Amino acid sequence: EAGVTQSPTHLIKTRGQQATLRCSPISGHTSVYWYQQALGLGLQFLLWYDEGEERNRGNFPPRFSGRQFPNYSSELNVNALELEDSALYLCASTLFAPLHFGNGTRLTVT
Amino acid sequence: GNSVTQMEGPVTLSEEAFLTINCTYTATGYPSLFWYVQYPGEGLQLLLKATKADDKGSNKGFEATYRKETTSFHLEKGSVQVSDSAVYFCALRVANNNDMRFGAGTRLTVKP
Repeated sequence: EAGVTQSPTHLIKTRGQQATLRCSPISGHTSVYWYQQALGLGLQFLLWYDEGEERNRGNFPPRFSGRQFPNYSSELNVNALELEDSALYLCASTLFAPLHFGNGTRLTVT
Repeated sequence: GNSVTQMEGPVTLSEEAFLTINCTYTATGYPSLFWYVQYPGEGLQLLLKATKADDKGSNKGFEATYRKETTSFHLEKGSVQVSDSAVYFCALRVANNNDMRFGAGTRLTVKP
């Protein structure tokens, strides 16, 4: 079975621009999660979508937003990029736990 | 609320040493517990899991036992290898839904 796929693998933006990150879940999975991982360690929870609806949101400003499409794929948008937004953004999917993770999108803001 | 606290790293061991990474949790009800591993440049992979008290999860020589009385799920391995060098995350799933909580991660480095 194909795993969780994320695109692009790397993304370089300048401060103030917008970034769009995409995630395709494993076939049959209805829940998608987004995490930010800075400095190669801790996972910060961003967003959780299930059946097209936002179920929970982490402690991030409103310029972090997303959506889940009818085919359960998901998009994370980050507006007005700041230098500290540079991180690895991980997407995960599940039907019921455990989560299955993609390899992430490395976002660099210069 | 529901949360996971895991041992801070980094942890550095010599090959064949014994590994313990502590994890404790706070949760309402009866959560499922997980250990994930993240190798350099990759996403997280499920290492092992336990869904009820006294269950022991095991995989690749790693094991962890769900201890309800101490609210713990410590990760152990009897003899680590250089290839075990990675970041390890403890996690819980709140009962009856998909609300997942992760610990801060522990970086393990194994030296030859």
